Amino acid sequence: EAQVTQNPRYLITVTGKKLTVTCSQNMNHEYMSWYRQDPGLGLRQIYYSMNVEVTDKGDVPEGYKVSRKEKRNFPLILESPSPNQTSLYFCASSLIGSGDNEQFFGPGTRLTVL
Amino acid sequence: DQQVKQNSPSLSVQEGRISILNCDYTNSMFDYFLWYKKYPAEGPTFLISISSIKDKNEDGRFTVFLNKSAKHLSLHIVPSQPGDSAVYFCAASTGTASKLTFGTGTRLQVTL
Repeated sequence: EAQVTQNPRYLITVTGKKLTVTCSQNMNHEYMSWYRQDPGLGLRQIYYSMNVEVTDKGDVPEGYKVSRKEKRNFPLILESPSPNQTSLYFCASSLIGSGDNEQFFGPGTRLTVL
Repeated sequence: DQQVKQNSPSLSVQEGRISILNCDYTNSMFDYFLWYKKYPAEGPTFLISISSIKDKNEDGRFTVFLNKSAKHLSLHIVPSQPGDSAVYFCAASTGTASKLTFGTGTRLQVTL
């Protein structure tokens, strides 16, 4: 089954404790992206990757890191989480140049930083 | 600066009637528009899209209309069903670039 998976689905942590949210897709998509969803703000892009070893900042990259060592995986790293990073996070992937720009989303990771 | 705007945070419609969800954009470089549907505890799923060379695209009960001069698009759902109750996001992109810019979403509730 074609899908984007994220782990964990739920995470409660404390300020400053490094964490990683994993994202994996099995559709051989070149493009992968991370979003955060906050009330009244919709989905905002954090980082994206056009292919292996190619990453770039989205609209709200502060406090986040990513890496793309393999085509299927795109982990999101919070080196020192803060309460303002409490949010619902989504990973997405798509083919580049497919013409419709449809992105496939993972189920989401709800992060709470105390 | 919100380049894609959904000014109605919520909408309630009776089952069987038409639901109309609206979206405005400010960036004239956007030339591809998508609607996503999101249920609680799930990721957004693609619903329907439209290219700027068209002014209408239809897929079953769902139709998207694009008015380029007004920088406005709308999603029509006819007839509305209780299973359509969800949050709907409008998104836009430029050319074949994959970056999507999302609106803030509209929560649709279809009542019996």
